[in-house]
Amino acid sequence: ETGVTQSPTHLIKTRGQQVTLRCSSQSGHNTVSWYQQALGQGPQFIFQYYREEENGRGNFPPRFSGLQFPNYSSELNVNALELDDSALYLCASSLGGGLAGSYNEQFFGPGTRLTVL
Amino acid sequence: GDSVTQMEGPVTLSEEAFLTINCTYTATGYPSLFWYVQYPGEGLQLLLKATKADDKGSNKGFEATYRKETTSFHLEKGSVQVSDSAVYFCALSDPRGWGSARQLTFGSGTQLTVLP
Repeated sequence: ETGVTQSPTHLIKTRGQQVTLRCSSQSGHNTVSWYQQALGQGPQFIFQYYREEENGRGNFPPRFSGLQFPNYSSELNVNALELDDSALYLCASSLGGGLAGSYNEQFFGPGTRLTVL
Repeated sequence: GDSVTQMEGPVTLSEEAFLTINCTYTATGYPSLFWYVQYPGEGLQLLLKATKADDKGSNKGFEATYRKETTSFHLEKGSVQVSDSAVYFCALSDPRGWGSARQLTFGSGTQLTVLP
């Protein structure tokens, strides 16, 4: 069973550019969540995709957008990069669709380290 | 909204010392509570969880008890090892509603270093 993978591992961009980060979910999982982890901080929820539809969003501006594909892999796109976007971006996959009150464990990838200069 | 507060780090202990990392939360419902661990260069791994009041989560010698009256979920281990050196995150998830896995709300993390 393959775990959650993310690409690229590291990325350097300049302010104003656009970036696309990729995530392959664990086999059998249909839900992908994205988190931003600034240096020395805990991860912050960006959004979640369930069966190719956005299913919840955190307090991030519209220039953060995403996609989920039929194979349940996902992309995170960030437009008009700002210096504060420098962070570790984590992807987590899980098996969604459970009953209310249930929790399906989220499995995290190693992350993509984005540096904006 | 929901929030998690962890004790400030970093924490440095000698091998075999007792560990406590404090965690308190604020939530409008009855959240599920988690401890995650992040080793250098790796993603987050679920260490333990508790889904209702008075539940005790445990794994690899670590324990935490869901205390609704004090809104706390403190992490403890009786005898730490050098291999426990990592960053530990307390987190919650609101189980209300139906559908996919709930989003996680994390604390700011506590860096633990265990010296031989």
